[in-house]
Amino acid sequence: DIQMTQSPSFLSASVGDRVTINCKASQNINKYLDWYQQKLGEAPKLLIYNTNSLHTAIPSRFSGSGSGTDFTLTISSLQPEDVATYFCFQHNSGSLTFGSGTKLEIK
Amino acid sequence: EVQLVESGGGLVKPGSSLKLSCVASGFTFSSYGMHWIRQAPKKGLEWIALIYYDSSNKYYADSVKGRFTISRDNSKNTLYLEMNSLRSEDTAMYYCAKLGTVANYWGQGVMVTVSS
Repeated sequence: DIQMTQSPSFLSASVGDRVTINCKASQNINKYLDWYQQKLGEAPKLLIYNTNSLHTAIPSRFSGSGSGTDFTLTISSLQPEDVATYFCFQHNSGSLTFGSGTKLEIK
Repeated sequence: EVQLVESGGGLVKPGSSLKLSCVASGFTFSSYGMHWIRQAPKKGLEWIALIYYDSSNKYYADSVKGRFTISRDNSKNTLYLEMNSLRSEDTAMYYCAKLGTVANYWGQGVMVTVSS
């Protein structure tokens, strides 16, 4: 099975900061990497699909990049409402996997 | 409005069985693959099973392979997860989901607690 190594596990940043979260796959997953945001007590919400496509109604401060095994989620200017846990998710193969998550807080 | 409503959770003893259901509405259920994903308390997300739209293929995470069975009844717009030989580490919120690049839907989740 493909393993997803996500880093960092915890991130504290100030409003307006540029924030990056990384995911590394144990093998090539092509472009099949999504990013989810989960706020406390809620189901996850899709932010980015297939590496770099912004999901419907997601603010443009969110972006994704990468290919093959290394992927990045970037928030260009952190807002208070971005406090959440972020997960990457690979769907390249039949057995799918999430990263371990990054908990993002405002400093 | 799209809805995915899970049911069937509860408190069970180790070694027992439980069957979860997820009723879908607001989209053409029979056209899409469906997933079960779980989240242990204060932990991350774990994908556990996928079933194709026509039940032709099923995939499982290693952690549940051989113990859990995913199935669906397209005539009832319902997804199932049959869970056998439950362990304490299966304690989690269980979500059914239609994952997709444009249409991406999750239920509110159902809690399963495995404890003696």
